[in-house]
Amino acid sequence: EDQVTQSPEALRLQEGESSSLNCSYTVSGLRGLFWYRQDPGKGPEFLFTLYSAGEEKEKERLKATLTKKESFLHITAPKPEDSATYLCAVQGPGAQKLVFGQGTRLTINP
Amino acid sequence: NAGVTQTPKFRILKIGQSMTLQCTQDMNHNYMYWYRQDPGMGLKLIYYSVGAGITDKGEVPNGYNVSRSTTEDFPLRLELAAPSQTSVYFCASIDSSQHNEQFFGPGTRLTVL
Repeated sequence: EDQVTQSPEALRLQEGESSSLNCSYTVSGLRGLFWYRQDPGKGPEFLFTLYSAGEEKEKERLKATLTKKESFLHITAPKPEDSATYLCAVQGPGAQKLVFGQGTRLTINP
Repeated sequence: NAGVTQTPKFRILKIGQSMTLQCTQDMNHNYMYWYRQDPGMGLKLIYYSVGAGITDKGEVPNGYNVSRSTTEDFPLRLELAAPSQTSVYFCASIDSSQHNEQFFGPGTRLTVL
C-alpha cells in the first residue's frame, strides 16, 4: 500500500530563516511526486511534479528535490506570504490516483 | 475558464439527511476526483472518474455515491448523513497533458449534527 509521511507537522520560522520540509514515501513504482500549497479555507494549489530520483524543480523561494525514498521542499529566505500548509502526494502505477501526506503547516513570522 | 467550481460552500445537515455536492469543471478534463479532508489531515480519496460513464472507488467510499453523466459534472451524493462525514470536501480534475497537475475546487465545508 502506498504511504506518504510528512515532517515536521508544523514549523515556525522567522522571516529570512531558510529550512526544509520532508516527505517520505513508499510506493511500488513511482510515477510522480507532487507538492501542493494550501491556504486556510482554500483548495490545494499545484507547485511541482517530480518524476525521478535526482530531479529538482524551483519556483521563486521554493526548491523541490527527490530521492528514491523521500522528497524535500527547501524554502530559502522565506517571507510571511509563504505561510501555508504544504502537501506532498505520490502517484503509483495504474490509475491516475494520488496518495497524500498529512501536510506540514508552515508559519513565517515577520 | 472558471476552473473547478463547487457548490454549496457550506452546509449543515442533520443525521440521516441526504444531499448532493456539486462539482463542475470547464477545462475538458477526463479525470475527476472527490476527496475529503479532516482537520490537520491530508486528503483522502473518496471516488474518482476517468471519463463520462466510468467511476471507481477510492480509499474511503462508504456512505457516498457518485455519477458521471457528462465530462463537466461529477456530483457526490451523501445518503443517510452521519457525524463521521463532517469534513471539508474537495473536487479536483486532472490535465494529463500537463504533468498530471490536479486542479482543485474551493471546497465544501459540511457539518453533520
